[in-house]
Amino acid sequence: NAGVTQTPKFRVLKTGQSMTLLCAQDMNHEYMYWYRQDPGMGLRLIHYSVGEGTTAKGEVPDGYNVSRLKKQNFLLGLESAAPSQTSVYFCASSYSRLADTQYFGPGTRLTVL
Amino acid sequence: GQQLNQSPQSMFIQEGEDVSMNCTSSSIFNTWLWYKQDPGEGPVLLIALYKAGELTSNGRLTAQFGITRKDSFLNISASIPSDVGIYFCASNTGGFKTIFGAGTRLFVKA
Repeated sequence: NAGVTQTPKFRVLKTGQSMTLLCAQDMNHEYMYWYRQDPGMGLRLIHYSVGEGTTAKGEVPDGYNVSRLKKQNFLLGLESAAPSQTSVYFCASSYSRLADTQYFGPGTRLTVL
Repeated sequence: GQQLNQSPQSMFIQEGEDVSMNCTSSSIFNTWLWYKQDPGEGPVLLIALYKAGELTSNGRLTAQFGITRKDSFLNISASIPSDVGIYFCASNTGGFKTIFGAGTRLFVKA
């Protein structure tokens, strides 16, 4: 099992460009999450999904959109990137709604110039 | 809003030393989680605590759920170089939302 994988690992964007981050899990988990991690701060929840075809807003959703068209994939989109979105993005999945069951991917480091 | 305060922010220790770090909040929580993040990787769950006063061990790691339900502690005994990383406390705020502390960065000198 690969667990949770994220694509790409690194990306540099110019302000205003768009991109999509892909998260894939092979554990048949129902729940998936996108977090961002900034220096000196803990992870903050951007969006999450409780099942295929469903998404919901987390703590810091502005500027991001998500889609869960297939159970194993959770996409995070930036329509018009801003320097404030420079961060490390982590995807996680879980088989229950309990926080202790989350498995994290290795992260995507995004820089917006 | 709810916030988790971790201390210390960073620690520089010698191999073999014991380590203590803590996480506090002004809010009451029903769960306390401790994660470790290795450089370039995502967080990995170390210990989960579910009951006030609970003391749980995982190898050289021991964590406690504070009696007031507003704090938690993580101890690492006899540190080794692979203990290097960032240690996060976290808790579930209800539903699917988890909040994280800012982390304690641990450096171990061989």
